[in-house]
Amino acid sequence: EVQLLESGGDLVQPGGSLRLSCAASGFTFSNYAMSWVRQAPGMGLEWVSAIDGSGGSTYHADSVKGRFTISRDNSKNTLYLQMNSLRVDDTAVYYCARGSAAGRPYYFQNWGQGTLVTVSS
Amino acid sequence: EIVLTQSPGTLSLSPGERATLSCRASQTISTNYLAWYQQKPGQAPRLLIYGASNRATGVPDRFSGSGSGTDFTLTISRLEPEDFAVYYCQEYGTSRTFGQGTKVEIK
Repeated sequence: EVQLLESGGDLVQPGGSLRLSCAASGFTFSNYAMSWVRQAPGMGLEWVSAIDGSGGSTYHADSVKGRFTISRDNSKNTLYLQMNSLRVDDTAVYYCARGSAAGRPYYFQNWGQGTLVTVSS
Repeated sequence: EIVLTQSPGTLSLSPGERATLSCRASQTISTNYLAWYQQKPGQAPRLLIYGASNRATGVPDRFSGSGSGTDFTLTISRLEPEDFAVYYCQEYGTSRTFGQGTKVEIK
């Protein structure tokens, strides 16, 4: 059974940093692209960042480019999101999602339960 | 970037009724790279449909997807109590953008 378990969400001040993790199990991690998708309170879904199966290619939404970095450790079956220069509008539940393939195009086949990031002074 | 517009914003229906949800793209979606997701309150999204019309594993056959080019539809043939939720479409060929969602609520 595919399992994705996010962690690392917290309350942080504007301008601060946070690193999210997503521990994966139940599948061969390196065979699948992974993404982070966020959802602000009461709002819809927003794709944030993506990384291919090997980790060689990464992509970020314009709203986080230059501030967030996605990475993965295939030896630890873990996905990361390093978030710097956090802003109030980064407040959201952050979901880890498994792609349907190692590289594009892929839909989001499995989702974690999410971790809450709150940016506030 | 492809922009997806879902309509209506809210659909008020009774159990047993048919639900028709629309997703319109600002430009042609190549190879029907269009997915639908269901999200219930407090839960993560769940994949329903990929490739515009292919049901994901375990999805009941009352859910069906159709369309091509810029116009896509998710149909729920007979609403069950557990189907009342928010539904999102997503283009995954280029920009990975989501529509703003359609809420299906109990009338």
